[in-house]
Amino acid sequence: ILNVEQSPQSLHVQEGDSTNFTCSFPSSNFYALHWYRWETAKSPEALFVMTLNGDEKKKGRISATLNTKEGYSYLYIKGSQPEDSATYLCAYPAGFQKLVFGTGTRLLVSP
Amino acid sequence: NAGVTQTPKFQVLKTGQSMTLQCAQDMNHNSMYWYRQDPGMGLRLIYYSASEGTTDKGEVPNGYNVSRLNKREFSLRLESAAPSQTSVYFCASSERPSGGSTDTQYFGPGTRLTVL
Repeated sequence: ILNVEQSPQSLHVQEGDSTNFTCSFPSSNFYALHWYRWETAKSPEALFVMTLNGDEKKKGRISATLNTKEGYSYLYIKGSQPEDSATYLCAYPAGFQKLVFGTGTRLLVSP
Repeated sequence: NAGVTQTPKFQVLKTGQSMTLQCAQDMNHNSMYWYRQDPGMGLRLIYYSASEGTTDKGEVPNGYNVSRLNKREFSLRLESAAPSQTSVYFCASSERPSGGSTDTQYFGPGTRLTVL
C-alpha cells in the first residue's frame, strides 16, 4: 500500500510568520507529486504539480520544492496571512490516473 | 463553466435506506472519481472511472456502487446505508494538461452525509 505522509498534522502561526511543512512519499519509481489547498467548507484546489527532482514551483507567497531521491517535498509560505488558513494536501500517483492523498497539514494563521 | 457539481449538499439517512449521490462536470474530462473524507483519514478513493463506460474500485469500495451515465455524469449509490458511511463525499474529474505527465483533479463542493 502506497504511503504518503504529511507533517505536522496542524500548525498555528501568527500573521507575518513564514512557515513550512513536509510531504514524504516513496522515493522509488517517482512519477509526480501534487499539492492541493483545501479551505474549510470548500473543495480542494490544485496548487502545484511537481515532476522533476530539484523542481521549485511558486505561486505568490507559496512555494514548493521537491527531492525525489529522498522522497520528500516541502511547501513554504512566506509572510503568512489569515487567508492562507487551510489544509494543505499532497498526493502521489498510484496507478493510472489515481492519486493517493496524505492526511494534510492544517494551517491556522491568526491576525 | 460550473466545473464539478454535486447534489445534494447535505443528506440524513436512516440505517438501511438507499440513496444516490449525483456528480456532473462540464469540463469534458475523461476521468471521474468518488472520494470520502473522514477526520484523520484524508481523502480515500471509493471508485473511479477512467473513461466513459468503465469503472474501477478504489481503496474503499465496499457498500457502494457507481454508474458512469455518460461523459459528464458519475453517480455513487449506497444500497443499504450504514452509520460507518457517515462522511463527506467528494466527486472529482481530471484532465492531463497539454504537455503534462500527470492528471490534475478538480473537485466538487462535497456532499455531507449522515447515517443514523
